[in-house]
Amino acid sequence: EIVLTQSPATLSLSPGERATLSCRASQSVSSYLAWYQKKPGQAPRLLIYDASNRATGIPARFSGSGSGTDFTLTISSLEPEDSAIYYCQQRSNWPPNSFGPGTKVDIK
Amino acid sequence: EVQLVESGGGLVQPGGSLRLSCAASGFTFSDYEMNWVRQAPGKGLEWISYIDKRSTTIYYADSVKGRFTTSRDNAKNSLYLQMNSLRAEDTAVYYCGRWDGRGGDSWGQGTLVTVSS
Repeated sequence: EIVLTQSPATLSLSPGERATLSCRASQSVSSYLAWYQKKPGQAPRLLIYDASNRATGIPARFSGSGSGTDFTLTISSLEPEDSAIYYCQQRSNWPPNSFGPGTKVDIK
Repeated sequence: EVQLVESGGGLVQPGGSLRLSCAASGFTFSDYEMNWVRQAPGKGLEWISYIDKRSTTIYYADSVKGRFTTSRDNAKNSLYLQMNSLRAEDTAVYYCGRWDGRGGDSWGQGTLVTVSS
């Protein structure tokens, strides 16, 4: 079973700053990694699929990179509405279609 | 517009059963695989089940295997989650999600299941 770890657990930044979120897999997932945004009381939102492809309607400030075991989600210039928890999910070797534990992004 | 609407949540006693439904609209339901995901209070997202387009392949997380059953009715554009032998740790908001092969690209707003005596 592939285990995903995310760091940091919490990120506190100001609007306009750059956010860098990390996701690490316990074994290679190739490029089969997605990123989601989750806000309280809302549905999950797919941001990035296959490591670096933005989903439909996702603003260009969100970008993904990486392959193998190390992945990064970058928010180039934080907006207040980006306050959320961000999860990575792998689809390389499943089930289970596991999620990481999440990174909480707080906007100061 | 793609819409997924979950229903059937509520309060149930430990050991009890509940059946969740997910009504799909705005797309050809039979063209998509589907997932169930849950989020317990204060916890992260947990994938719990996957079903392919024709119900020939169904997967479960170990945490629900043998207790939960996922099914779908393509004629009714609906996905179901039959939950038996419920435990306190099954308390969560349950989301159905459309899977396009690369990620869950659309999700419902969720339905709350509370398991408590």
